[in-house]
Amino acid sequence: EVQLVESGGGLVQPGRSMKLSCAASGFTFNNYDMAWVCQAPKKGLEWVATISYDGSSTYYRDSVKGRFTISRDNAKSTLYLQMDSLRSEDTATYYCARRDYSGVMDVWGQGASVTVSS
Amino acid sequence: DIQMTQSPPSLSASLGDKVTITCQASQNINKYIAWYQQKPGKAPRLLIRYTSTLESGTPSRFSGSGSGRDYSFSISNVESEDIASYYCLQYDNLPWTFGGGTKLELK
Repeated sequence: EVQLVESGGGLVQPGRSMKLSCAASGFTFNNYDMAWVCQAPKKGLEWVATISYDGSSTYYRDSVKGRFTISRDNAKSTLYLQMDSLRSEDTATYYCARRDYSGVMDVWGQGASVTVSS
Repeated sequence: DIQMTQSPPSLSASLGDKVTITCQASQNINKYIAWYQQKPGKAPRLLIRYTSTLESGTPSRFSGSGSGRDYSFSISNVESEDIASYYCLQYDNLPWTFGGGTKLELK
């Protein structure tokens, strides 16, 4: 079964850091680009970042550039999102998603909740 | 950035109705639009890719169409399990952008 499982969420103070992980199984992880998408409470979906299958290319939405870092460990079939200098507006559920060969995000994890608050 | 204007924000339907949601892109997105269903507390589920291609497991009562800047998503014969929020996504250009969502409720 193709599966993505996020971990690492929780409560963090403004200005601090948090790292999310996404463990993949059921498919050949290093064949796929991966992405993070967030959803603030009661709000819509927002793409956050994408990384190429081999980690050589990364892309970010403007609001997280310089603060968030997407990375991957293909040997461990795991995707990461390092979030630094967190702000209250980063409070959201963060989903990892697989980007398939046609470019669409076809498989999603269950989400990790991040709350930035003092 | 490409803006995706999705309407309506909410929709009330009776079982068996046909409902339609639209998404208008701020520029041509070459049919690279996907539609997702999201139920409360759950991850989005991909229903349709590339405007009109149904995912495996997506019931045939769901459909999509459009071109250029204008796209639509329909559910014919709404069933109780279709009560959810729906989002369009353009994946033609980075940053990928979602529509604001449509919440489908039962009348």
